[in-house]
Amino acid sequence: EAGVAQSPRYKIIEKRQSVAFWCNPISGHATLYWYQQILGQGPKLLIQFQNNGVVDDSQLPKDRFSAERLKGVDSTLKIQPAKLEDSAVYLCASSQPIPEAFFGQGTRLTVV
Amino acid sequence: AQKVTQAQTEISVVEKEDVTLDCVYETRDTTYYLFWYKQPPSGELVFLIRRNSFDEQNEISGRYSWNFQKSTSSFNFTITASQVVDSAVYFCALSEESYNTDKLIFGTGTRLQVFP
Repeated sequence: EAGVAQSPRYKIIEKRQSVAFWCNPISGHATLYWYQQILGQGPKLLIQFQNNGVVDDSQLPKDRFSAERLKGVDSTLKIQPAKLEDSAVYLCASSQPIPEAFFGQGTRLTVV
Repeated sequence: AQKVTQAQTEISVVEKEDVTLDCVYETRDTTYYLFWYKQPPSGELVFLIRRNSFDEQNEISGRYSWNFQKSTSSFNFTITASQVVDSAVYFCALSEESYNTDKLIFGTGTRLQVFP
């Protein structure tokens, strides 16, 4: 069974630029999550989708972050404009109804 | 409030030593799940175990064992006879059932270094 796929693996951008990350969850997993992991910290949920709908985006900085999940499968997370403090690893995860999330390898974003 | 505390920031051991990683959690829910994840240098979070709040039985899987004690709100993880491949950051996490989300609340992680 293929795991959660994310791209790109690494991205370096200048502040105020925009960036997008892509995630393809495990086939059949209805729930998709985006987590932000700042260096030295545990991951923090940014947004959770159940199929196409948003379940929780309470910690998503909506003035600059946006996410969508088209057709209940792939998802894209966008940052526009990026700030220095957005430097982090962005992890995508997916799960079935049983709460056991499977994570991708993440995208390491560096904002300079 | 939901919170997970991993007080040990970094632990170093020599191969074949036993090591215990501590995890203390806070929740008002009576139904919740606790998890341990391993994060090797490659960055991917690898699922190790899930326990629900009604199952306090300790669990053993090979060299790994987990001790869940509701009385002290702890869910500790022991690696027996550690190996170099166990070197990673280990995260404890909590998921509560009462909210409309099963998001994971992570601790800050414990970095384990196993030296040959």
